[in-house]
Amino acid sequence: DAKTTQPTSMDCAEGRAANLPCNHSTISGNEYVYWYRQIHSQGPQYIIHGLKNNETNEMASLIITEDRKSSTLILPHATLRDTAVYYCIVSPPYGGSQGNLIFGKGTKLSVKP
Amino acid sequence: GAGVSQTPSNKVTEKGKYVELRCDPISGHTALYWYRQSLGQGPEFLIYFQGTGAADDSGLPNDRFFAVRPEGSVSTLKIQRTERGDSAVYLCASSLGSGYSSYNEQFFGPGTRLTVL
Repeated sequence: DAKTTQPTSMDCAEGRAANLPCNHSTISGNEYVYWYRQIHSQGPQYIIHGLKNNETNEMASLIITEDRKSSTLILPHATLRDTAVYYCIVSPPYGGSQGNLIFGKGTKLSVKP
Repeated sequence: GAGVSQTPSNKVTEKGKYVELRCDPISGHTALYWYRQSLGQGPEFLIYFQGTGAADDSGLPNDRFFAVRPEGSVSTLKIQRTERGDSAVYLCASSLGSGYSSYNEQFFGPGTRLTVL
C-alpha cells in the first residue's frame, strides 16, 4: 500500500501557484519523497524528489517539513498543460532490489482558465 | 532523444488467449520496470529488471504473468490464458540503474492498453 495520503482533487486558476499537499507520517529516515505526474493517456513523468531539504528545479519546488511527515509540491505559475494527476511517493534509496515505486491514487489537479 | 516505446499501443484479445507486450527502453538504461494501471488507480508494480535478471518480481499477480529481458534491453511481458480482469494499461519504465544513481527517476512509456473480451 502507498505510504502517502493526498487529496483526491484540487482546482487552480491559470497563472496562479498550485500547492499540492502530501502526508507521509510513517516515512523512514532514509526514504526519499518523489513527485510524479500523469497527464491524460500518457505515462507518468518524474517531477522532483527530496530527502530533507527543500528542492527546486525548472518544473516545481518541493517543500518538506522539518519532521518530514508532510510535503508540498508547488507549481509556481500553473498552466492548462499542468492539468494532470500528481502522485506523491515515498521510497527507500535506490539500490539492489529496491526499484519499484508504489503509487497511490494521487491528486487530480485541474487548472482552469 | 528517443524515449521508452511500447508496442502495440492497443491490444484486444479474447479470454483464454496468450498475449505479448513489448517494451523498448531508453538506450543505456540498465533498469526496466513493468506496471499495470486500472481505470482510476495509480500504476501498480509488477516486475523490475536490473540488466537481464529480474531483481524483484513480487508484483506479478500469478503464474500466468511472465516477463523476460534476455539481452538486457528490450523486454516482453507475457500473459497466458488471459482473463477479463487482466484488462488494464500496461506501463513500462526504464532508468539508469542503481549503479548510476542514488535516486529513482524512471522514464515511462505511453503504455499498452489491453482489453480482454
